[in-house]
This record gives sequence, C-alpha cells and structure tokens, in this order.
Amino acid sequence: AQSVTQLDSHVSVSEGTPVLLRCNYSSSYSPSLFWYVQHPNKGLQLLLKYTSAATLVKGINGFEAEFKKSETSFHLTKPSAHMSDAAEYFCVVSDMDTGTASKLTFGTGTRLQVTL
Amino acid sequence: SAVISQKPSRDICQRGTSLTIQCQVDSQVTMMFWYRQQPGQSLTLIATANQGSEATYESGFVIDKFPISRPNLTFSTLTVSNMSPEDSSIYLCSGVGGGSSYEQYFGPGTRLTVT
Repeated sequence: AQSVTQLDSHVSVSEGTPVLLRCNYSSSYSPSLFWYVQHPNKGLQLLLKYTSAATLVKGINGFEAEFKKSETSFHLTKPSAHMSDAAEYFCVVSDMDTGTASKLTFGTGTRLQVTL
Repeated sequence: SAVISQKPSRDICQRGTSLTIQCQVDSQVTMMFWYRQQPGQSLTLIATANQGSEATYESGFVIDKFPISRPNLTFSTLTVSNMSPEDSSIYLCSGVGGGSSYEQYFGPGTRLTVT
C-alpha cells in the first residue's frame, strides 16, 4: 500500500525567506510523486512531479523538490517566498512508474502562511 | 493539458435528497476519478469512473450512495444520494490525459452543504 506523510500541518514564513514543506512516502513499488497546490476557493494545481527521471524536479512558480530514495522523502522547497504562495500544499503518491491513469493517495496537506 | 469544469459549483441541499454533480472535460481522457474533500481535510478517492461500465469504488464508498456514470470519454456524473449533513464536502473530479505527461487534472470542485 502507498501512503504519504506530510510532517507539518502548518508552516509560516516571512516573505523573501526560504520555504520547506516536508513529505515522506511509503510505496511498495517505484513511486511517482507529485506536489499539488490549492489556493482558497480554487481548484488543485500541479506544481511538479517526479516519475523516475531526474531526482531534482523543478516546477512552476520557482518551486522544486528532490526525490531521496534512501530517506523516502520528497520535500518541496522554494528559495524565496512570495505572498501569493500562501495556500494548501498536498504531497501525493502514485504507485505506477509513470503515474499514468493511477489512483493518487494524498497527504493530509500543509498550510503555508506567508507574512510580511 | 485538459480543462475540467464541474456543475454546480456549490449547492445547499436538504437531508434525504440527492444531488447530481456533472464533470465535463474539454478533451478525451483515459480515466476519470471522483474525490471527496471534507472540511479542513485532504482528498479521499471515492471511485474510478469507467467508461461504459460500472465504476470501481474504494473501501468505504458504495454504489447505492454514490452512483457514478461515465457515458463517454469526456463526461461523468456523481450522485450523492439520500444526503445527510456528514456528506457536506467538496467533491472533485479529475481526468488523466494521454500523451507523454499522464498528468491528472482536477476540476474546481463542487461545494456541497447539507442541512
């Protein structure tokens, strides 16, 4: 069975400082991993995905994540937070190598707050 | 990429009634899914909507409560039957496209409140 654990339910950073959202996964197979963002009253948007290619994945809006198999982690980072980054972030795992047409398992989410 | 729309965007319903949510994709997708997001919580998969056949439900979800249709490759409906306040949630549909990305695209969600 696959699962993800988001280690922080809430993260608060100042604008212009780095962002780190932590995610650990468990998967019986080679996982595909995703980060989605959900802004208030808006739909889910894919930030980035890992599908067994390069371990450092770059996404939209300056976000990136690094797949570390030895640590079973897929932490999301951004060098400098912007006010518009305030949202709910979900780490998601899929068991199929390409993530194709597969059931997604969502983490519990991390609410990112960005302060002035 | 695929653009997914849902109708209605929100509704307030009385307990004991049913609501059908529509999900429309602007292009053909190989698979469609329905999720529930209860207040302040993460997304939980309800079922996989199979084109031309019965949906595949996850543990804890049954067809009598959440009947699903998928008559073609761009459209699906989810009905929430005999509603109770515990069904108050956001219901989201998603679709998986083809090509090389196989990304899963999500609709904006339907916010359901049961009184």
